Amino acid sequence: DADVTQTPRNRITKTGKRIMLECSQTKGHDRMYWYRQDPGLGLQLIYYSFDVKDINKGEISDGYSVSRQAQAKFSLSLESAIPNQTALYFCATSGQAGQPQHFGDGTRLSIL
Amino acid sequence: GESVGLHLPTLSVQEGDNSIINCAYSNSASDYFIWYKQESGKGPQFIIDIRSNMDKRQGQRVTVLLNKTVKHLSLQIAATQPGDSAVYFCAENGDNFNKFYFGSGTKLNVKP
Repeated sequence: DADVTQTPRNRITKTGKRIMLECSQTKGHDRMYWYRQDPGLGLQLIYYSFDVKDINKGEISDGYSVSRQAQAKFSLSLESAIPNQTALYFCATSGQAGQPQHFGDGTRLSIL
Repeated sequence: GESVGLHLPTLSVQEGDNSIINCAYSNSASDYFIWYKQESGKGPQFIIDIRSNMDKRQGQRVTVLLNKTVKHLSLQIAATQPGDSAVYFCAENGDNFNKFYFGSGTKLNVKP
């Protein structure tokens, strides 16, 4: 979905480095989400935000932090990357509860 | 936690045939369900959704069926085409209208 843009698309880094993944959207949605996808597993929710002043932990928030800089921007940080955080990361947005989420094309993150 | 699963991890069909992808869910409080398609290198793309007050909903070449009695969801694709080859997964909202729980996906292979 071109309305949800993630940068970078690919990143290789070393253990212990701080990483920031960025997400911006032009859909005008209030709700934004960060997910992690591992091979053979469903999407797992890391953090979500319903507006600029609202941040909520998901199921797997340990080792991650987020910042909602504006309605359109939601970034995910790995404070000290470790190899088991190697995964595909997706950002998503939605308008209201009970509406589908719209996803970006993901960031493939490899931690050596 | 929620449990959203799929019966078949891989489904191979001949071009032109109909495809049926199944999903079981465990939370009887879920009242909103979504099917997503994920192509290689891309983010999940919304296909069709259904609410619990319906048992069938049709889109263009796709139909979603919901059986609340046995907590089962299916996606039917008519006249399957090579472009339908992708991973398909379902999502349910559980008893939280603000989050979704995702299945691990079924890979659909369309043979020419």
